[in-house]
Parts: sequence; structure tokens; C-alpha cells
Amino acid sequence: QKEVEQDPGPLSVPEGAIVSLNCTYSNSAFQYFMWYRQYSRKGPELLMYTYSSGNKEDGRFTAQVDKSSKYISLFIRDSQPSDSATYLCAMSASTNAGKSTFGDGTTLTVKP
Amino acid sequence: DVKVTQSSRYLVKRTGEKVFLECVQDMDHENMFWYRQDPGLGLRLIYFSYDVKMKEKGDIPEGYSVSREKKERFSLILESASTNQTSMYLCASSPRGSGKNIQYFGAGTRLSVL
Repeated sequence: QKEVEQDPGPLSVPEGAIVSLNCTYSNSAFQYFMWYRQYSRKGPELLMYTYSSGNKEDGRFTAQVDKSSKYISLFIRDSQPSDSATYLCAMSASTNAGKSTFGDGTTLTVKP
Repeated sequence: DVKVTQSSRYLVKRTGEKVFLECVQDMDHENMFWYRQDPGLGLRLIYFSYDVKMKEKGDIPEGYSVSREKKERFSLILESASTNQTSMYLCASSPRGSGKNIQYFGAGTRLSVL
């Protein structure tokens, strides 16, 4: 079983919809939780980063971490066609010596 | 702005060729990574380097080697390319010691082995 499982998708939503992207994990040592966005034919880029449990908001994006359930989510409000991309969750522990564990990614398409 | 530059966006090579993929970062990061990305398999770590001349095997090192002679440059070498190494290759870097392990990625090299 993988350490990080990500809802596989693909997801297709109409413009303006609220999107929920989710990952579960098994390693209780993970403390840092990241969401990367990857546009087609590009490398991933960091979208949001959260430490430990709680919520973090940045514009239309909210990252949520529930360590007790080992579950993280990324919410996108008022989704736009420009949000169409693959979203990767990633997690790390302070003992990981620089490495992160990535989910397989969820591909989102927002239709105008 | 952190920049990770991969030398080629697209490469076509023949089976058995020795292939070099080059990656350069300009942020003085200690850590550098090579991944391959395949549909349905996600990002898989090939090799990791945490300092000059230091390397650590990732999840799928077979058929690959790496070189890090300078801090800013990390090379991935396919000793004898095979068709199952056709993939998207991504290089990344991160600073040591922050604990966050936020990685900065290059644009990727799409390698086709014929």
C-alpha cells in the first residue's frame, strides 16, 4: 500500500464550481503538507504549503489538514478554466532528509 | 525567483545509446532530485543528492546513474537507453534544513527511446 493515496480523478467541472481534491496518508510522522499544480507539459510548481493541522487560505484556494484522520484537502472556490491542471499532494517529515512523498495527482478540467 | 533549468525539453534517442540529462539550479540549494513521471504511476524518485558528490538511490535507480560535481548541476545518465525508459524526466531542487522540503521543479525533459 502506498504511503500517500490521492483521489485519482479525472475531474471535470463547470466554471464557477467548488472543487475538492483529497489525499490520505499512512505515515504519522508527516508534518509538512504541500499542494503542487502542474500545467500540461510543464513541471510542478508549489501552490500551497501547510504545517501540521488546520486550514490555510490563499485567495480562492484553501488547504485543509486533519492529522487525526490522516487526510488533507485542497478546495478551489469559483473555479476558472485557468485552474485546469494536474494537482499533486506531497508530504514530508522533518526527518526525511529533504525528500517528499507525492500523490499520483488528480487532473482537473474546468469547462467554460 | 528560483530557477531550475533542464537542458532539453524533448529528446529522441536510440536503444543502447548513452543519454545525459542535465539540470542546473541558481538558488544555491543543497538538495537536488531526479524523478520520472508516467501516466498512472505519478512521480517516482530515481536519485537524490544532498551535497556535491553525494548521492542516494531513490525508488527506481536501476538503469540510471547520476553525477554531481558542482553544487548547481545534477546530471542523470542512462547508461544504455531502453524503450522502457521513455518518459518525462523532472529535476527538482530544495534548500537543506528548512524541514518543509518544498521542491522547485524544472520544466521537464520528455525522452523518447526508439
